[in-house]
Amino acid sequence: FVLTQPPSVSVAPRQTASITCGGDNIGSDPVHWYQLKPGQAPVVVVFDNSDRPSGIPERFSGSISGNTATLTISRVEAGDEADYYCQLWDTNSDHWVFGGGTKVTVL
Amino acid sequence: QIQLVHSGAEVKKPGASVKVSCKASGYSFIDYHIHWVRQAPGQGLEWMGWISPGSGGPKYAQKFQGRVTMTKDTSINTAYMELSRLRSDDTAVYYCARSYSSSWHHFDYWGQGTLVSVSS
Repeated sequence: FVLTQPPSVSVAPRQTASITCGGDNIGSDPVHWYQLKPGQAPVVVVFDNSDRPSGIPERFSGSISGNTATLTISRVEAGDEADYYCQLWDTNSDHWVFGGGTKVTVL
Repeated sequence: QIQLVHSGAEVKKPGASVKVSCKASGYSFIDYHIHWVRQAPGQGLEWMGWISPGSGGPKYAQKFQGRVTMTKDTSINTAYMELSRLRSDDTAVYYCARSYSSSWHHFDYWGQGTLVSVSS
């Protein structure tokens, strides 16, 4: 079972970044998104497809369409530069699966 | 506040074992599962398994079956992950993270990670 993410996304400040995550089980099981910055602990930015933890800016949002989950970062800031990973529970294998990660670069 | 604090960096030789600890504070340790996730240099996140300080588990990812052992000490709110027969490609940052259950629920808090370097 594989979750497919684009390796990189580049975006200008104040524009919108969209990160996709494709997989067969998407739509039937909740998708979570994590932000990783060098030297820091990972942080969940969206859980259960579209919910946002307290403390995460409203600029971060999640959605599902068919077999693709999308993390959208609106009005991108320099501080959003990081690696982003989607995550899904695979009921067939009883394993957690992560996407390959997407590096977001702010131009 | 909720914290997961890792043990310090380790340097090991191939074939050796390493045991990483993760001390929890700021919440009821037995009410949440602890997962272990690693990230090798230049690679993505890889789930290794989970243990429940309350009851249940451990459950290991198939890739690590036979080499990984996850344990807990509820008296000191600490989870452990031991990886044996280390290889150079086990060089990675190893994270612990908590979740409300073994499946479905996201990992809401993570430790800062322990760097394990395997080199002859």
